[in-house]
Amino acid sequence: QKEVEQDPGPLSVPEGAIVSLNCTYSNSAFQYFMWYRQYSRKGPELLMYTYSSGNKEDGRFTAQVDKSSKYISLFIRDSQPSDSATYLCAMTSGGYQKVTFGTGTKLQVIP
Amino acid sequence: SQTIHQWPATLVQPVGSPLSLECTVEGTSNPNLYWYRQAAGRGLQLLFYSVGIGQISSEVPQNLSASRPQDRQFILSSKKLLLSDSGFYLCALMGEAYNEQFFGPGTRLTVL
Repeated sequence: QKEVEQDPGPLSVPEGAIVSLNCTYSNSAFQYFMWYRQYSRKGPELLMYTYSSGNKEDGRFTAQVDKSSKYISLFIRDSQPSDSATYLCAMTSGGYQKVTFGTGTKLQVIP
Repeated sequence: SQTIHQWPATLVQPVGSPLSLECTVEGTSNPNLYWYRQAAGRGLQLLFYSVGIGQISSEVPQNLSASRPQDRQFILSSKKLLLSDSGFYLCALMGEAYNEQFFGPGTRLTVL
């Protein structure tokens, strides 16, 4: 079993839709959770991070962590064609431990 | 702010040829630096990390090596490339808050 599981998609939605991207994990030591956005042929860019359980909102993006279920989500409201990218979840236990990444979900927002 | 430079952006090399990819960073000192490889459908694979000049830790045994000759320079090398070395190579540095990784623009390597 992989430490982090992420549905590869592709996920295709119409412009304006609400998008839900998810990851599950098995390591209960993970405490810091991140979402990266990666455009084609570019390096990943940090989109959001959360510590422990709870929600965090930044504009149209909401990151959610449920440590009891070992499940994290990224919601995108009012999705735009510019949101079309691959989204990677990532997590670490902190303390200079390495970061473990999901394989990424490819999202396409259709105008 | 921190900036990561990688070059070249793309590279096509024959099997058996040597490789040298360079990563330099600006806007920070004594960063933790990382080399990742991203292959289609396989996510990000950590190859090497370095906590300081001359200090290299290898995560995956393979025909690649890394060196850190200067504080803000990280080099990925190979003496003889294999077909399986094809991929998107990313240099990253660790942020100061919680191990977040900041990535460079990457080098796309195709081995033929």
